[in-house]
Amino acid sequence: DTGVSQNPRHKITKRGQNVTFRCDPISEHNRLYWYRQTLGQGPEFLTYFQNEAQLEKSRLLSDRFSAERPKGSFSTLEIQRTEQGDSAMYLCASSLSISNRGLAATYEQYFGPGTRLTVT
Amino acid sequence: AQSVTQLGSHVSVSEGALVLLRCNYSSSVPPYLFWYVQYPNQGLQLLLKYTTGATLVKGINGFEAEFKKSETSFHLTKPSAHMSDAAEYFCAVTVNQGGKLIFGQGTELSVKP
Repeated sequence: DTGVSQNPRHKITKRGQNVTFRCDPISEHNRLYWYRQTLGQGPEFLTYFQNEAQLEKSRLLSDRFSAERPKGSFSTLEIQRTEQGDSAMYLCASSLSISNRGLAATYEQYFGPGTRLTVT
Repeated sequence: AQSVTQLGSHVSVSEGALVLLRCNYSSSVPPYLFWYVQYPNQGLQLLLKYTTGATLVKGINGFEAEFKKSETSFHLTKPSAHMSDAAEYFCAVTVNQGGKLIFGQGTELSVKP
């Protein structure tokens, strides 16, 4: 168990460009979450998946944001036509919501180190 | 809708002193409550959680929190602060186990030698 990993750790892009982030959850975990955190604020929910199904998406989320989890393992978050207001830390988390292979569901969300996006 | 309020964006204590970080929540249904810690440029680490049962929950690093339904509070305490406790602390609530977390704005804890 290597924990939740995110790539890249840092991304600097120019306004108007598209960016894509990747999240690899803990391997046994079936749920995967994306949050955004701006300076001095708590994380804000963006969306989450159970396996490959996207179960909830924040109503605050712009149409420029899209997330996928095609095989129920890793996930990508894409931001199209980036704006300076998109600058933030993007956090991924995973959890086990059903008992699986002897592991009891705990629902605890384990976070990755985040991807810091700077839009210039 | 659920919400979390953390009283005090910054708390400063002396090493060895009591740590008290306040969290009040709003929820129309029984909540699940969490405290996370975040060190600079890192992700969040779970300190402790309340789901059901005993209202006093113990977590890692000597922290504990008590769920008080009548006060809609879930304050985090530690009897004796250590320099390594300096970090940002977030309280969070959810009403569906495994669902999205709603976070407070965080409290930055400073520990003076």
